[in-house]
Amino acid sequence: SYELTQPPSVSVSPGQTASITCSGDKLGDKYACWYQQRPGQSPVLVIYQDTKRPSGIPERFSGSNSGNTATLTISGTQAMDEADYYCQAWDSSTGVFGTGTKVTVL
Amino acid sequence: QVQLVQSGAEVKKPGASVKVSCKASGYTFTSYDIIWVRQATGQGLEWMGWMNANSGNTGYAQKFQGRLTMTRSTSITTAYMELSGLRSEDTAVYYCARGLAAGVGFDPWGQGTLVSVSS
Repeated sequence: SYELTQPPSVSVSPGQTASITCSGDKLGDKYACWYQQRPGQSPVLVIYQDTKRPSGIPERFSGSNSGNTATLTISGTQAMDEADYYCQAWDSSTGVFGTGTKVTVL
Repeated sequence: QVQLVQSGAEVKKPGASVKVSCKASGYTFTSYDIIWVRQATGQGLEWMGWMNANSGNTGYAQKFQGRLTMTRSTSITTAYMELSGLRSEDTAVYYCARGLAAGVGFDPWGQGTLVSVSS
């Protein structure tokens, strides 16, 4: 079965840039999405079709996807960005989620 | 506004079944898929399956084949997820979400329903 692998944790200082990777076989041939999940809350879509932001998502969130890796970048990270982040793609009509990354804003 | 409201928490015994509802509002229910995902405490998101709200066609993760049934009532814009043969490992928060076009993701999500399985 298809797997998406993320680093378990990323730490970032306020105002700095956080990058979260998502690795999967030929992931660049698929669309990647990213979800933010704050503690005790439901996931929220922050990036879709590799690079697009839904309305209401701040411009500091951006995405890319090429080769075997998709990346979510948070520029000018704020305390409110501290959360778990999950990548997601489709493989053979089945949704696949990444292993998840906890972003800590120190 | 577009929202999905799920039914309340459930406590079940091993071997029982649970049926969780997901009431949609603020959009044309039959124009989108509904997907179901679960999350055990402290764990990641686990894909369960999808349902086309118009046709009722479904696609289930291999892991849940034979135990999982997704249905809907278009008249009351509500989707349902039924899981049978419950075991302790099924204890989790179950989420529904609206499925947008391929690659466009899932948005919004319901508030989640905690299903606890214990003897």
